[in-house]
Amino acid sequence: SQKIEQNSEALNIQEGKTATLTCNYTNYSPAYLQWYRQDPGRGPVFLLLIRENEKEKRKERLKVTFDTTLKQSLFHITASQPADSATYLCAQGSSASKIIFGSGTRLSIRP
Amino acid sequence: DADVTQTPRNRITKTGKRIMLECSQTKGHDRMYWYRQDPGLGLRLIYYSFDVKDINKGEISDGYSVSRQAQAKFSLSLESAIPNQTALYFCATSAPDTGGDQPQHFGDGTRLSIL
Repeated sequence: SQKIEQNSEALNIQEGKTATLTCNYTNYSPAYLQWYRQDPGRGPVFLLLIRENEKEKRKERLKVTFDTTLKQSLFHITASQPADSATYLCAQGSSASKIIFGSGTRLSIRP
Repeated sequence: DADVTQTPRNRITKTGKRIMLECSQTKGHDRMYWYRQDPGLGLRLIYYSFDVKDINKGEISDGYSVSRQAQAKFSLSLESAIPNQTALYFCATSAPDTGGDQPQHFGDGTRLSIL
């Protein structure tokens, strides 16, 4: 079955550094990958979508890559700030017009 | 006002009770979804609806039922609640997509505890 995996361990980094989160997928080659941010007590909020023929996508301090050979997407936040602390979810489109979500990686940015 | 509104936000109830969670949206989207979120398991799809007359089971539909009352309203019912249905429940909407090319828009969730 289609599977999407994120590092379940929390990522703690110093303010100002670049945060890099990893998303790996197996058993299916999605045409799209999506990234969401989720704050405690809130629903996920869509951030970025990248297509399989796009190697990289940027939005302000965010950058997403899509490597179809490695079956992996990387999500980068440059010049990180404490306000970037949240859980980040990766999601892939499936063959049945549904979205499959990873379990998320919690990011903490310390001042 | 929120585009996707879930009620109630919190609910504590007892085993065996019938519970309904409601979702309404002002996005104008045809597609609506119900997910549950458990620590370490991520979001899992319970039911989804691509239009008013369309209802589909997700990966964990046992013990749940849904009703799509209108384009803007999609409710989730637990006919006889059990403790392992304690979780955070989210409703989401999306425009029609092809293989995941449309983002999903989430409500802020219902925290459900079953004693």
